[in-house]
Amino acid sequence: AQSVTQLGSHVSVSEGALVLLRCNYSSSVPPYLFWYVQYPNQGLQLLLKYTSAATLVKGINGFEAEFKKSETSFHLTKPSAHMSDAAEYFCAVSSTYGNNRLAFGKGNQVVVIP
Amino acid sequence: ETGVTQSPTHLIKTRGQQVTLRCSSQSGHNTVSWYQQALGQGPQFIFQYYREEENGRGNFPPRFSGLQFPNYSSELNVNALELDDSALYLCASSLVDRLSRFSGANVLTFGAGSRLTVL
Repeated sequence: AQSVTQLGSHVSVSEGALVLLRCNYSSSVPPYLFWYVQYPNQGLQLLLKYTSAATLVKGINGFEAEFKKSETSFHLTKPSAHMSDAAEYFCAVSSTYGNNRLAFGKGNQVVVIP
Repeated sequence: ETGVTQSPTHLIKTRGQQVTLRCSSQSGHNTVSWYQQALGQGPQFIFQYYREEENGRGNFPPRFSGLQFPNYSSELNVNALELDDSALYLCASSLVDRLSRFSGANVLTFGAGSRLTVL
């Protein structure tokens, strides 16, 4: 079974500073990895996904993530935080075959300090 | 194109009652997945429907059941509600074919959810 771990439920970052959200996964088969963002009273929106092509994945709103198999990690970064980045972020993993479900982490609530 | 719409947005039930939540998938999508998101937790997979048949189920008891209709809309039914069923229920749709329906690469489009409170 796949799982992901996101540490630190709340993350505070100053406007203009680096955003770094950590995600470590566990999977017995090659994984697909995703980052989703959830704004208040809205559904989850896909930021980016890794599906075994390039290990550095660029997403929307200036976010990117790097797949590191040796570290079983898929950390999300953005060079400069904006006030509009305040939201909850979820890392998720699924399997390359035989499994069509997403396993989500507990999420990181990002607060941007002006 | 229209996105995923869910109804109702909020509802309150008492323990032991039954509830039906509804989901209209994004135009052109043929698969619907349901997730339960408890407060402070990530979403948990309940089940998925492809062409009106269950196509995978998570670790939820049988009192959680679902349907998918010919127009690809879907319902989630929960019987004998318990306090722990209080959560945000998310519906997500995707477009898959017969070969890719088990692929984890399929991108899901989520609705805003139905928030259920059980008293």
